Amino acid sequence: QVQLVQSGAEVKKPGASVKVSCKASGYTFTDYYVHWVRQAPGQGLEWMGWLNPKNGDTYYGQNFTDRVTMTRATSTSTAYMELSRLRSDDTAIYYCAREGYSPAEYWGLGTLVTVSS
Amino acid sequence: ERVMTQSPATLSVSPGERATLSCRASQSVGSNLAWYQQKPGQAPRLLIYGASTRATGIPDRFSGSGSGTEFTLTISSLQSEDFVVYYCQQYNFWPLTFGGGTRVEIK
Repeated sequence: QVQLVQSGAEVKKPGASVKVSCKASGYTFTDYYVHWVRQAPGQGLEWMGWLNPKNGDTYYGQNFTDRVTMTRATSTSTAYMELSRLRSDDTAIYYCAREGYSPAEYWGLGTLVTVSS
Repeated sequence: ERVMTQSPATLSVSPGERATLSCRASQSVGSNLAWYQQKPGQAPRLLIYGASTRATGIPDRFSGSGSGTEFTLTISSLQSEDFVVYYCQQYNFWPLTFGGGTRVEIK
């Protein structure tokens, strides 16, 4: 079965960077795009961008183009999302999701990133 | 950017009754519309894709309809586990965009 296992919670200071991992199993990693979505506390869902694991191509949402980098390691079937120059309003749960019938058919459990001085 | 507007923000319904949730797109998104359900403390779950096709394992009390700019998610007979939050998402254009969500609460 498809599983997306994300890395653990992080606490970062403003201005720092965070890198969240998403390890895929149960399918061929390079066959499906991986999307990243975040959710601030008590708020709705915000799409951040996608990664094509086959060739490393990416597309980022306009709110993130200058701060986010999505990469992958095909040898370990792992996708990564790195967000730089963190601010307090980046405090959120970050989800990876695998595309299928919709852009987010399968979801990871999420990684809480807290930005606090 | 296609703006997705969900209404109402909160819907109060009695158990066993029907719930109708709306999602409107600022421009046509064809049928490239998905609905997700999110329970407290959990990741969202795909309910509907292609505006009207139920995802695997989704009960048939959930149905989706619409195309273009107007979409509806209907829950025919609300069960206790259905009183949570629902989001629509368009995937016709980049960037992908979500609606703000509708919370279904017990009346």
